[in-house]
Amino acid sequence: RKEVEQDPGPFNVPEGATVAFNCTYSNSASQSFFWYRQDCRKEPKLLMSVYSSGNEDGRFTAQLNRASQYISLLIRDSKLSDSATYLCVVNIWSTDKLIFGTGTRLQVFP
Amino acid sequence: EAGVTQFPSHSVIEKGQTVTLRCDPISGHDNLYWYRRVMGKEIKFLLHFVKESKQDESGMPNNRFLAERTGGTYSTLKVQPAELEDSGVYFCASSHLDRGYEQYFGPGTRLTVT
Repeated sequence: RKEVEQDPGPFNVPEGATVAFNCTYSNSASQSFFWYRQDCRKEPKLLMSVYSSGNEDGRFTAQLNRASQYISLLIRDSKLSDSATYLCVVNIWSTDKLIFGTGTRLQVFP
Repeated sequence: EAGVTQFPSHSVIEKGQTVTLRCDPISGHDNLYWYRRVMGKEIKFLLHFVKESKQDESGMPNNRFLAERTGGTYSTLKVQPAELEDSGVYFCASSHLDRGYEQYFGPGTRLTVT
């Protein structure tokens, strides 16, 4: 079983749509949680950290449920520029090692 | 501020040859990491340097891979001899010493072993 599981997609949505991605992790020692964005043939870039209280950054909302070991990302009012692969990433306590999911591909169409 | 840089951007070598990848971290970042993504799989951690010391090399696949960070600045990752399954994208990342969770990635080196 993968340590971080994501639906690979692709999710094809029209501009303006709301889309949600989910992720589960298996290691209960996971300490920190992130969503990264990766454009085609580019490096992963940190989109946002995820906190138990939930956090919002503009059109993006991330949520963490430690009891269920579940992380989500909600994108409202999708833009064409949101098209990318979204990577769910966790960090295990006492290490710097980041553990990546395989990513969920989002394609926003006009 | 310049980002993480990696060289080369692409490398095509034959099985059995040697390749050396280079990473220059963001200036002032003591933490340096190597990751790789092989076709169809997730990005996986290889190792972590703190300055010139290897802090965690639990992800190194085998002894054909050798990473160095002499002087605690840039790092090299040598694959010798390369095998077909080593093909993939090798990413380097760096972070401040006390902010290991905030890693900045380089553009990667795409390695193809034929």
